[in-house]
This record gives sequence, structure tokens and C-alpha cells, in this order.
Amino acid sequence: AQTVTQSQPEMSVQEAETVTLSCTYDTSESDYYLFWYKQPPSRQMILVIRQEAYKQQNATENRFSVNFQKAAKSFSLKISDSQLGDAAMYFCAYRGMNRDDKIIFGKGTRLHILP
Amino acid sequence: GAVVSQHPSWVICKSGTSVKIECRSLDFQATTMFWYRQFPKQSLMLMATSNEGSKATYEQGVEKDKFLINHASLTLSTLTVTSAHPEDSSFYICSATLAGGPRTDTQYFGPGTRLTVL
Repeated sequence: AQTVTQSQPEMSVQEAETVTLSCTYDTSESDYYLFWYKQPPSRQMILVIRQEAYKQQNATENRFSVNFQKAAKSFSLKISDSQLGDAAMYFCAYRGMNRDDKIIFGKGTRLHILP
Repeated sequence: GAVVSQHPSWVICKSGTSVKIECRSLDFQATTMFWYRQFPKQSLMLMATSNEGSKATYEQGVEKDKFLINHASLTLSTLTVTSAHPEDSSFYICSATLAGGPRTDTQYFGPGTRLTVL
């Protein structure tokens, strides 16, 4: 069975600095999708970034980028120029290629932004 | 695009009553909708997966007679908590995946519904 592990329950970063959130996963599949979702205090889940495993290029979305290491099964999220609005719970997630595959979430990392 | 709404955003009910939560995809048709439950400071727990026009698939340990799911159209799914009890108090979140297009793998989430059972 697939698993997703986020080893950092909480992290803090100074405003305008860069922070990296870790995520590892386990799967025997060769093709799959990986996601980072953000859940701010409003509790609305927001898609931050999406990575297709068959693409070697790391996905980027403005200040958010990932370091996807397929062999190591690692999928870290880097947030550059951290802003107060980035404070949230961040969930790493895995999904297989089949239509009925479920998303498997990690336990989350709570990110604090220090002014 | 890919907006999902939920109604109500919060609800308080008495023990023993039933509560219905609606999940709508506003600007797209959803192949599949998912229902999650989230306890404070925890991750999302998948309760069930529903496809339009067919019975929902429940996760192990989720009582299908207690949590009734109806997916009547490609834009609407409902979760009914029957005979609610205080232990059913939680935050319920739905999500939907696109029917067709390049992003059928991505789930788009509703804003959630906070249920409090007195």
C-alpha cells in the first residue's frame, strides 16, 4: 500500500526567507501524481502544486517549487520569499494513475511565518 | 475555474436528527466526488467515493447506513448524517475531480462544513 510521510509536524520561517517542507512516499508504481495542498485557518484546501511522476522537470508555481527525487521517493516543497499569507497547514499527497485511485495524504506540516 | 461549494458552511443540530450537506461543482462537471472528515489538527480521512448515478464506495469502518451519500448529477453530491450523535461532530469536506480534460487526476476541494451535534 502507498504511504506518504511528512516528518516535520511544525516549522517556522522568517518572513521573506525560504523554507523547505519535506515529504517522502512509498509506492511500487512507476507512474503517479504528487501534490502539495495548503490549508489555511479558513480550512479551505488549496492546491499549491502538482507533479506528474513521469516528468523529470520539477514543477514550479510562482514562489513555490518542488524538488522531486523519484528514485529516493522524495517530494519536498520550497517556498521562496515567505509571506504572512503562507502560514497554513501543508499536506503532501499521492495519487495513482487509475481513475478510481484515491488521494493519500500525509499528516501535514504546520508552517508559521515570523514577522 | 474548478470551484467547489458546500452548503451549509456550518450547522448545529440536536442529537438524533439528520443533517444533509450539499457539495456542488460550480463551473465544471465532476466525474467523481469524495467525502472527507477532518478532526482538529489532523489530516483528512476519506469516508467515501461517489460516482454520478452509482452507489458510493465507503472506506473501511465508515457506516454506510449512517452516512448516506447521493450523487444525483455531475455537479451535485449530498452527504446525509442520519441520527446524528455528538461523536459525529466534525469538519466534513468534499472534493471533486474533473470529467475529462488534462486534470482528471486533481481533486478540487469545497470549503468544508462544520457539524456540531448537541
